[in-house]
Amino acid sequence: NAGVMQNPRHLVRRRGQEARLRCSPVKGHSHVYWYRQLPEEGLKFMVYLQKENIIDESGMPKERFSAEFPKEGPSILRIQQVVRGDSAAYFCASSPGNTEQFFGPGTRLTVL
Amino acid sequence: RKEVEQDPGPFNVPEGATVAFNCTYSNSASQSFFWYRQDCRKEPKLLMSVYSSGNEDGRFTAQLNRASQYISLLIRDSKLSDSATYLCVVSTDSWGKLQFGAGTQVVVTP
Repeated sequence: NAGVMQNPRHLVRRRGQEARLRCSPVKGHSHVYWYRQLPEEGLKFMVYLQKENIIDESGMPKERFSAEFPKEGPSILRIQQVVRGDSAAYFCASSPGNTEQFFGPGTRLTVL
Repeated sequence: RKEVEQDPGPFNVPEGATVAFNCTYSNSASQSFFWYRQDCRKEPKLLMSVYSSGNEDGRFTAQLNRASQYISLLIRDSKLSDSATYLCVVSTDSWGKLQFGAGTQVVVTP
């Protein structure tokens, strides 16, 4: 009974490179959420997706960040041209809809 | 002003003692309330939902005061394993977008 899976767990990028973070929700969950946790801060909502649709991206930075949840495969959070301020823990959560969200172990992104 | 505010602590608690702490939220339209627990920057895990009438789960008791817009968590008979950061979480959306406080750190000492 696998929970939410995220990979990689740790990702190091140099400034200007691209980062791709993957999230496989709990089997049967069609709702995926991405949150970011900066050092010494709480988690901040980024985006909410259902299969093939972005429902709410009000927490996504306007530039360089994008997310998708294709019909097949994991949800992807993509950060283009990373900067040092993007260094954070990125958590994915899934739910079957309007119920408890189950969180993955997170991806820790370090930008050098 | 932050949407969810918590005392960061740390609350240093002797094993077996009781500890309580609050959080406040700014949006009066908030619908759902939770306490999550986070260990050493690992993923948050749901501790308990918070209901208007207050609710208890073992050694943990949560209260909600809508008029004053605060939520409380009380831990009785603290265990060493209760050492963690407790996250106050609020949702204003029916589909469950969560707003997190920065957390209250609890350290239970022998």
